[in-house]
Amino acid sequence: SQQGEEDPQALSIQEGENATMNCSYKTSINNLQWYRQNSGRGLVHLILIRSNEREKHSGRLRVTLDTSKKSSSLLITASRAADTASYFCATDEDSSYKLIFGSGTRLLVRP
Amino acid sequence: DAGITQSPRYKITETGRQVTLMCHQTWSHSYMFWYRQDLGHGLRLIYYSAAADITDKGEVPDGYVVSRSKTENFPLTLESATRSQTSVYFCASTLAAANTGELFFGEGSRLTVL
Repeated sequence: SQQGEEDPQALSIQEGENATMNCSYKTSINNLQWYRQNSGRGLVHLILIRSNEREKHSGRLRVTLDTSKKSSSLLITASRAADTASYFCATDEDSSYKLIFGSGTRLLVRP
Repeated sequence: DAGITQSPRYKITETGRQVTLMCHQTWSHSYMFWYRQDLGHGLRLIYYSAAADITDKGEVPDGYVVSRSKTENFPLTLESATRSQTSVYFCASTLAAANTGELFFGEGSRLTVL
């Protein structure tokens, strides 16, 4: 079974708007990571948040982590058409060294 | 720098044939992973390796075999391909343990089993 589940499965917004994606997971974790995948390409790492952190920023990205609810959110501010991609969260299952990915959120940013 | 490369990028084969997907990384990363990506399932971990000669099963290992005789290579073999193994396969590597460092992904190998 998958560790992380993203919500929503698909999101369509206008350029300039903010996009929020959520991730829920099942077991204890050390870290949670977010990745981006452009169509037909490999995944690219965006940001890592540790279990003792609650919020982290990187450019237009803001990630939150709530370990009590076993959930995380990724906020992309002032979205651009180039942000169109699929976004995945990934967690270490029971703090092992393997990363388990969710099914992803497909984001479409309309120009 | 080449980074992490997968070959072949596209492969069409028939049911019952053996297929090997290659993965090569130039960073001397200790950890390497194989995932498959299917619509509606996201990425599912097939096998992973912490170092040369150390491999372990992931979520969906049945029908696959891996080896890691050299740190830089991590081939994935489908011993007798089935249609359900039609998928996009991604190799990834990381220097630190996956739960402490980012994974670097190859561009994927798209496999079709007829």
